[in-house]
Amino acid sequence: AQSVTQLDSQVPVFEEAPVELRCNYSSSVSVYLFWYVQYPNQGLQLLLKYLSGSTLVKGINGFEAEFNKSQTSFHLRKPSVHISDTAEYFCAVNSGGYQKVTFGTGTKLQVIP
Amino acid sequence: ETGVTQTPRHLVMGMTNKKSLKCEQHLGHNAMYWYKQSAKKPLELMFVYNFKEQTENNSVPSRFSPECPNSSHLFLHLHTLQPEDSALYLCASSQGTGDSGNTIYFGEGSWLTVV
Repeated sequence: AQSVTQLDSQVPVFEEAPVELRCNYSSSVSVYLFWYVQYPNQGLQLLLKYLSGSTLVKGINGFEAEFNKSQTSFHLRKPSVHISDTAEYFCAVNSGGYQKVTFGTGTKLQVIP
Repeated sequence: ETGVTQTPRHLVMGMTNKKSLKCEQHLGHNAMYWYKQSAKKPLELMFVYNFKEQTENNSVPSRFSPECPNSSHLFLHLHTLQPEDSALYLCASSQGTGDSGNTIYFGEGSWLTVV
């Protein structure tokens, strides 16, 4: 079985400060990992994904994530956040076929002016 | 413009009503999904269709009835719903090649309120 844990339900951060959103997963097989963002009143949009290769993955809007197999983590980072980054962020794992995606409970990022 | 379009965006219905949610994808994908998003709960997968065939029903109550007439269209028929069914219902699609790394593309969702 696979699972995803996002320990932080809310993360407040000042504008232009760095941010890290944490994601830990569990799976008995190889995994594919995703980060999605959901802006208010919208669906989920892919930020980035890890399939294989380099463990540092760069995504849209200046976000990046690092796959750490030994720590079973896939934390999302941005060196300097903007007001427009205020949204909910979901980590997801897929280890059993394209429809077997498990989503975390989400982390609400609140950027403070 | 999103590649996955959902209508209506907002729906209020009584517990005895019958209504439907519609989803259309313009991405040429073979797989389509219904997810339920409730406050403070993980995203819940409801149904999966691959090449119009239902491949997963995640123990969804029968008051939710999906229909997939072709690979581009997906419906969710609703009848005798309960107030706890109020949620955001998200439609999604992906390329059904069996590659686990396929990205799932979401629509903007249909906000459902059951009164």
